[in-house]
Amino acid sequence: AQTVTQSQPEMSVQEAETVTLSCTYDTSESDYYLFWYKQPPSRQMILVIRQEAYKQQNATENRFSVNFQKAAKSFSLKISDSQLGDAAMYFCASSRGSTLGRLYFGRGTQLTVWP
Amino acid sequence: GAVVSQHPSWVICKSGTSVKIECRSLDFQATTMFWYRQFPKQSLMLMATSNEGSKATYEQGVEKDKFLINHASLTLSTLTVTSAHPEDSSFYICSAPGGQVRETQYFGPGTRLLVL
Repeated sequence: AQTVTQSQPEMSVQEAETVTLSCTYDTSESDYYLFWYKQPPSRQMILVIRQEAYKQQNATENRFSVNFQKAAKSFSLKISDSQLGDAAMYFCASSRGSTLGRLYFGRGTQLTVWP
Repeated sequence: GAVVSQHPSWVICKSGTSVKIECRSLDFQATTMFWYRQFPKQSLMLMATSNEGSKATYEQGVEKDKFLINHASLTLSTLTVTSAHPEDSSFYICSAPGGQVRETQYFGPGTRLLVL
């Protein structure tokens, strides 16, 4: 079975500062994808960033980047230059092998951004 | 990015009635869609995979007779909660692999169900 663990239920950051959200996962799959999704109060799930497990290079999307450590099964998200609009619940997720749409989600990290 | 819609956005029903939730891919076709359930302040739990033209695949522990899924076309999947009970109250979200990046799931805005 796959599990995704987010050990930080809550995090906070000052506006313009940097914050890192942690995620570890456990899978027996050889091919999989990892994702960070953001869920604001509207509850719309928004893709933040994704990482193909076979790629060693860490994914980057503007202010968002990941630190993917495959051997350690770690997939942390770094948010640089935090903005008030970044405040949301952040979910880490892994795909279930070849059926990419079947996702395992972590329990989420609630991010607060202080002005 | 690809757009997925859900209807209704919220619904209140009496215990024992059935409720249908629609999930549509608006600007792309989806042969597969996924249904998740999210309890308050908790994570998303995958319920089932909706397959166009064939039966849905349910995750372990999900009652297929309680949660009926029909993938009527390449842009529409429906979830029917049959004989709803208060414990079925939850936030239901659908997703579909979308657009040019098939590995990425695009999520609908969710449907809040309250069973009285």
